[in-house]
Amino acid sequence: DAGVIQSPRHEVTEMGQEVTLRCKPISGHNSLFWYRQTMMRGLELLIYFNNNVPIDDSGMPEDRFSAKMPNASFSTLKIQPSEPRDSAVYFCASRVGGSRAKNIQYFGAGTRLSVL
Amino acid sequence: GENVEQHPSTLSVQEGDSAVIKCTYSDSASNYFPWYKQELGKGPQLIIDIRSNVGEKKDQRIAVTLNKTAKHFSLHITETQPEDSAVYFCAASQWGTALIFGKGTTLSVSS
Repeated sequence: DAGVIQSPRHEVTEMGQEVTLRCKPISGHNSLFWYRQTMMRGLELLIYFNNNVPIDDSGMPEDRFSAKMPNASFSTLKIQPSEPRDSAVYFCASRVGGSRAKNIQYFGAGTRLSVL
Repeated sequence: GENVEQHPSTLSVQEGDSAVIKCTYSDSASNYFPWYKQELGKGPQLIIDIRSNVGEKKDQRIAVTLNKTAKHFSLHITETQPEDSAVYFCAASQWGTALIFGKGTTLSVSS
């Protein structure tokens, strides 16, 4: 398997623009997580989905952030409008769900976002 | 909710020495404690994990210990090598829920 695939790898945009980050989880995984990594705050959980349904979005910073998972093989994280403080590396991770499954989260390579 | 504290934030050792990274967690319901390694430009990757019914687990040069009473767990790396240089994250969760990560430890191994 190719692992968790994120696109783009790098995104540079201007303040006020809309940004869409994309994630393709590992086939057969039914839990998906979005994290944000900064030097100051480390790895923060933004939102996670089980079977395409958002379970916990308490980490989403504000209404400018939204996430969707229209099907089991695709998720997006959208920021509108973007601000310089949104600059960070955004990671997507996926996991096989179920109480008897291994709890291992597999991470993508991340999207480095720079908002000027 | 869960809160995970990790220390130290940076650690420098000589090749061949041991390295220890410590974490504490706040939620007594947490029962799953993984450690992830992140190399430059890559996503974190699981290196070892432990569940709360086990006090210690070892895999070659790395080991993790867990003290549920004190709510802390540690990563031990023996005979460190330059390729061990990376950022290490501890995490905690209840089984099947999202991981809450510590802020990371940058380990530098010099030869």
